[in-house]
Amino acid sequence: DTGVSQDPRHKITKRGQNVTFRCDPISEHNRLYWYRQTLGQGPEFLTYFQNEAQLEKSRLLSDRFSAERPKGSFSTLEIQRTEQGDSAMYLCASTDSYYEQYFGPGTRLTVT
Amino acid sequence: GDSVTQMEGPVTLSEEAFLTINCTYTATGYPSLFWYVQYPGEGLQLLLKATKADDKGSNKGFEATYRKETTSFHLEKGSVQVSDSAVYFCALSPGGSYIPTFGRGTSLIVHP
Repeated sequence: DTGVSQDPRHKITKRGQNVTFRCDPISEHNRLYWYRQTLGQGPEFLTYFQNEAQLEKSRLLSDRFSAERPKGSFSTLEIQRTEQGDSAMYLCASTDSYYEQYFGPGTRLTVT
Repeated sequence: GDSVTQMEGPVTLSEEAFLTINCTYTATGYPSLFWYVQYPGEGLQLLLKATKADDKGSNKGFEATYRKETTSFHLEKGSVQVSDSAVYFCALSPGGSYIPTFGRGTSLIVHP
């Protein structure tokens, strides 16, 4: 297994555009997480899935953000009408354990 | 709410020096505690964990002890190497929750 992969690794977009990121978790993992990380900060929880069910979303998550995991495998995170404040690293992690999460390398979003 | 406080970085050391990175937490109940490491250009990796008071997590020469009385989980290593240069994140997962809270991270730079 090659671990958690994310695509694209970098995305530059203009304010107001929509963007979509993809995460491919480790195949046997049933839970998948999305986080946002800004410079000098730790990962901030956005949402997580158990199989295809989205079980929790951060109360801080704008309704411009939506995530799916249609078949319980890969997941997508879409940001509509991007704003400059959305510029960050978006991290995906997967796990089948209570304790350890396996992180992907992240997608760096720059909104100009 | 739950929170994790780490010492500010960067921490700059010479090779073979002793390392301590302080971490304290605030949480209700009995959380599990973690240290993750992020090497440049890579995703976070679990370094070690402790699931109850007085547990000691250890891996790759790093150690941390879960101190309930001081709500701390300090990371230590007796002799650092240049290859240990990375960002270290302290994190907790509340009992019964799958959602971790991360600290801001502490950058470690080790010079030859």
